[in-house]
Amino acid sequence: QVQLQQSGAELAKPGTSVKLSCKASGYTFTSYYIYWVKQRPGQGLEWIGYIYPGNGGTYYSEKFKGKATFTADTSSSTAYMLLGSLTPEDSAYYFCARSLTTVVVFDYWGQGVMVTVSS
Amino acid sequence: DIQMTQSPASLSASLGETVTIECRASEDIYNGLAWYQQKPGKSPQLLIYNANSLHTGVPSRFSGSGSGTQYSLKINSLQSEDVASYFCQQYYNYPPLTFGSGTKLEIK
Repeated sequence: QVQLQQSGAELAKPGTSVKLSCKASGYTFTSYYIYWVKQRPGQGLEWIGYIYPGNGGTYYSEKFKGKATFTADTSSSTAYMLLGSLTPEDSAYYFCARSLTTVVVFDYWGQGVMVTVSS
Repeated sequence: DIQMTQSPASLSASLGETVTIECRASEDIYNGLAWYQQKPGKSPQLLIYNANSLHTGVPSRFSGSGSGTQYSLKINSLQSEDVASYFCQQYYNYPPLTFGSGTKLEIK
């Protein structure tokens, strides 16, 4: 069965970076895009962008250009998101997700990881 | 970017009741709309896509409708396990994907 397993919660200081992971299993990793979504506690969902592990192609929402960097390791079927120059506004849950093949809606999600930015 | 306006922000209803949540797009999205359910402490789960297509395994008491800029999610015979937040998402004009602000559903 398809699973997306995310790394554990992160506590980071302002100005530093964190690297979140999303390990995929149960499907061909290189055949599906991996998307990343941000959710501040009690708030709505924000789309960050995607990576296509098949060729490493990436796309970033305008708001997250320079903030997020996506990579993927096909040998371990793991996608990564590096969040840099952290500020308290980056404190949020971050989800990875996979889309249906026909339309860009998310049928599988990781469990989410909480990033807390505090001095 | 297409803006999604979702209403109401919160909703309280009795068990067995029918509830409706609405999403309005800032321009025509040609049925490129999905609905998600997010229970407390969990990741969102896909309910509906293409405005009215029920995702695999989703109970039939959930239904979606609409066209143009106006869409709605209806939950018939409200159950206790339906307590959650609900979000709409447009994907017609992508990128970027945009979401509604969410509706928190509680049992009265």
